[in-house]
Amino acid sequence: NAGVTQTPKFRILKIGQSMTLQCTQDMNHNYMYWYRQDPGMGLKLIYYSVGAGITDKGEVPNGYNVSRSTTEDFPLRLELAAPSQTSVYFCASSSTVEAFFGQGTRLTVV
Amino acid sequence: AQSVTQPDIHITVSEGASLELRCNYSYGATPYLFWYVQSPGQGLQLLLKYFSGDTLVQGIKGFEAEFKRSQSSFNLRKPSVHWSDAAEYFCAVDWDNYGQNFVFGPGTRLSVLP
Repeated sequence: NAGVTQTPKFRILKIGQSMTLQCTQDMNHNYMYWYRQDPGMGLKLIYYSVGAGITDKGEVPNGYNVSRSTTEDFPLRLELAAPSQTSVYFCASSSTVEAFFGQGTRLTVV
Repeated sequence: AQSVTQPDIHITVSEGASLELRCNYSYGATPYLFWYVQSPGQGLQLLLKYFSGDTLVQGIKGFEAEFKRSQSSFNLRKPSVHWSDAAEYFCAVDWDNYGQNFVFGPGTRLSVLP
């Protein structure tokens, strides 16, 4: 069972660069989420999706974009990387109310 | 405003001792409630969840949690801690019970002394 798969696991970006964090799930879940985790701050919701073609902002969406063209994939796009986006990013999916998490992407912006 | 609090940032217990991690939420209705564990460098794993019914719920790895409506609390407990329980623990709340509005607490880091 692959579950939720995130790539890459680690990445260093320079200020102003762009990148896409990939997330895919094989559980046919409708709901998918992107969180960022900063030390001592818990997880903050960036964006979420309730199904293919539908996305919505979470608590901290600024500087990010998402798309959901298929049920399986939910990529997160950083257009102009800033040091404030240094964080660990988690993708999750859920069928109804139980969320399953990927292993995380540790992103450093320098 | 809706919020989830975990008053203890860091707890240290000796192996074999009992454990209680606190979680409180502020909301008018009863949301769905969860506890997740995150081992170092890993993603989050669900320990247990409460939707309705019996207020004492059992989870994996010997953990249990009790929902107390009067206190808006969902505290996690374990009678005897093992060294492998050292991790970060997150309480989470689904405010609208439809999986669209998960909010996580700030986490409690558990250290276990041999």
